[in-house]
Order: sequence, then structure tokens, then C-alpha cells
Amino acid sequence: NAGVTQTPKFRVLKTGQSMTLLCAQDMNHEYMYWYRQDPGMGLRLIHYSVGEGTTAKGEVPDGYNVSRLKKQNFLLGLESAAPSQTSVYFCAGSGGEGETQYFGPGTRLLVL
Amino acid sequence: AQTVTQSQPEMSVQEAETVTLSCTYDTSESNYYLFWYKQPPSRQMILVIRQEAYKQQNATENRFSVNFQKAAKSFSLKISDSQLGDTAMYFCAFMKPLGGGATNKLIFGTGTLLAVQP
Repeated sequence: NAGVTQTPKFRVLKTGQSMTLLCAQDMNHEYMYWYRQDPGMGLRLIHYSVGEGTTAKGEVPDGYNVSRLKKQNFLLGLESAAPSQTSVYFCAGSGGEGETQYFGPGTRLLVL
Repeated sequence: AQTVTQSQPEMSVQEAETVTLSCTYDTSESNYYLFWYKQPPSRQMILVIRQEAYKQQNATENRFSVNFQKAAKSFSLKISDSQLGDTAMYFCAFMKPLGGGATNKLIFGTGTLLAVQP
């Protein structure tokens, strides 16, 4: 049981480049989330999904898109990276409403 | 909007001693959940303990316990018999379940960096 995994672990991008972060889970989580963590600010929700084929905006969605074509995968896309998107990105999954969220190991992204 | 406040940016404790981390939150809701997560230098977010607001009994997990004061909107974490491995950033988080426009998202405080000294 791998739990929640994230790919890649670390990436450097140039401004304007695009990339996709992959979150995969084998815990049969119904709900999945993408957060970003910046120094001194805790984690903030970017987008989330309450089931396969559904997505919704969180607190800081601008500049990001997501897709959940399969229940076990939740993709976070940056179409045109900006230095303000330099952050650590965490994916999480939970069984449903009120359930505990379990986090992946994080992806550190540096945009130059 | 709900907010979570951790007023202690850093704390230090001697090994084997007890330490309490503070957390307050602001909400008008009656049904919600509260969590403490630990983030060691590895960066992994690890669940420490969870509390349902409708439960009056304080949650405990081995050396970790909470003091949940619903009326005061306070949710402190007590770590007993502190160990070197407890050195980490600790985040308090609030969750309101889906429904009524809520997202089931976690709202995090800014964290308390705990250092356990040998």
C-alpha cells in the first residue's frame, strides 16, 4: 500500500513553461485535494475533487488547472509558470465528508 | 470565514518533559472537525490527532492529547514525555464538512516549530 504518492519530487521551471504534477492514491479515496505551502502561511487549498470526473476551485486557484479522469489520479497543471508559483505542493486524499485527509510527500517547485 | 490562529511561532522543550501548543479558531458553525498535523524535516504531513466538535471527550493518541474548549474555540495539543523525534512543525487545522457551500477543506494555522532538546 503506497498511500498517496506525488510525481515529481522536485522540479525547476523557467517562467512561462508548463508542467503537470501527478498525484496517485491506492487508498480508494473519494475526495482529493491540492494544497500549496508557502513560508509562514501554512497550507492553502488550490483545487479539489469530490469524485471521479469532478473538480472545484479552492482558495487560490488562479494559474492552475486540474483533472480527475480516474478515481486514483488527480493532476495539477500549470499552463504558464510564474515565479509566484514557487512553492511546495501537497496532494491529499480522504474517504469523504469529515474524513481525515492523508497527504503525499510533497513536490517542491522552483520557477525562475 | 473560518480562521485558525497559532500564536506560538516557536517553542522548545527538554526531552521527557511535557509541552502544550496553543490553537484558537474562529467559526460560527457547530459541526466541524479539528486536527493537529506534524511536519518533520522530511516535509511529510503526518496526522497526530483528530477531534470531532460534537464529542465532549478530549481525543488522545498515546503521548498526544488535546484540550478542546468549544465555547472558547480553543484546541491545544499536549505532548507528554517529549522525544527527539517529536521535533517538527505542528499545524492546527479546522475542517467544516461539505454542505451549505463548504468544501470539506482543511484550513491551517501558520504552525508552531517545536524543538525537543536532549
